[in-house]
Amino acid sequence: QQQVKQSPQSLIVQKGGISIINCAYENTAFDYFPWYQQFPGKGPALLIAIRPDVSEKKEGRFTISFNKSAKQFSLHIMDSQPGDSATYFCAASRDSGGGADGLTFGKGTHLIIQP
Amino acid sequence: DGGITQSPKYLFRKEGQNVTLSCEQNLNHDAMYWYRQDPGQGLRLIYYSQIVNDFQKGDIAEGYSVSREKKESFPLTVTSAQKNPTAFYLCASSRVGRAGELFFGEGSRLTVL
Repeated sequence: QQQVKQSPQSLIVQKGGISIINCAYENTAFDYFPWYQQFPGKGPALLIAIRPDVSEKKEGRFTISFNKSAKQFSLHIMDSQPGDSATYFCAASRDSGGGADGLTFGKGTHLIIQP
Repeated sequence: DGGITQSPKYLFRKEGQNVTLSCEQNLNHDAMYWYRQDPGQGLRLIYYSQIVNDFQKGDIAEGYSVSREKKESFPLTVTSAQKNPTAFYLCASSRVGRAGELFFGEGSRLTVL
């Protein structure tokens, strides 16, 4: 059973445009929702994260929107740049329970920003 | 600089052989994890450890084994029982209770010939 569903699988955006990646989760015990960015041949790196007590978090050009009732959250990349081309993973965890069993990841979105 | 070091970066193995992937961290994190990454499959948890000499199976532990004799080290052995071992393996660490904030190594790519 896939607990975090991510879409789209791949995305092509023109330079300067807005990239939007969506995720939906099933387990209401999740209380921490991070996004990870991965470049080819490298390990993922934490990009931005949100907790369910807020509906939006912004860091520079990256924004997470969170809808608790719909159990959905999304990543928006404003003014997308070629350097943003990477694979993005949404994830969820139960930090309040100690998070002992780690993160549950979506399957990833391969983002290409065309110059 | 603090971080996670995985070795080797690339590894080739013949069918029927066990291989061990190394993971060392100097972040002073108590928790360590092994994930497997396959194209289009995201990251799947193999094993995790919250403390020395203790570890738990993740979602896809069959065919794998780990040890945690030191806080800094969490090696993964891919045994001959793993049916499809060719994959990209990622080691990560975190502070206990902060499992959402993972620090990853650069990965080890295992190819079975």
